[in-house]
Amino acid sequence: QSALIQPASVSGSPGQSITISCTGTRGDAGRFDFVAWYQQHPGKVPKLLIYEDYKRPSGVSNRFSGAKSGNMAFLTISGLQAEDEADYYCCSDAGNGIYDFGSGTRASV
Amino acid sequence: DVQLVESGGDLVQPGRSLRLACVASGFTFSDHWMSWVRQVPGKGLEWVAKVNPTGGGRAYVDSVRGRCTISRNNARNSLYLEMWNLRVEDTALYHCVRDEAHGFNIWGQGTMVTVSS
Repeated sequence: QSALIQPASVSGSPGQSITISCTGTRGDAGRFDFVAWYQQHPGKVPKLLIYEDYKRPSGVSNRFSGAKSGNMAFLTISGLQAEDEADYYCCSDAGNGIYDFGSGTRASV
Repeated sequence: DVQLVESGGDLVQPGRSLRLACVASGFTFSDHWMSWVRQVPGKGLEWVAKVNPTGGGRAYVDSVRGRCTISRNNARNSLYLEMWNLRVEDTALYHCVRDEAHGFNIWGQGTMVTVSS
């Protein structure tokens, strides 16, 4: 059971926007800091899309945006394209030096 | 090119030990935190362990703590993960990753560990 809960799947049509949520469940037993988001296509290594809640690494499309409020984080993909069909994972600093990954969300276009 | 290349994965019996290695190139290895992240084929990602740039600070996921040591040799641009008392549930593809600002921005292709009798 992951400490970060994501919906199993989301879907949208080309050109639309979709939002993937990530809910931290550690509560007072941990933190939910510096959320990052990763995209993974089948057979490929994950790619960093968002770090420190909302920052985009150089080279990542501005169609990907991150936000956080309380114990929830969100990844929004705007202008959905066929190549966005992939698995998406959130990850946070849970305190005490450890990281939690989310359960993963399959995005379909 | 910035690159991480893992090695050392193998098929081992439960209870045995294994040492994974990762060689970094294309960046100043000694400047960065490094982690191991594993993934059971077809399943999700799990962070395993991390080490600070000097090797003096380490952290582990609960499921491996006490059975695992992460270490590094900055002179050799190398990261290691030594695991003992391996369990079936340790079976996964193990990735070496560079940690920058709490984001894993460089990933190796991974080395497969299979624990089975």
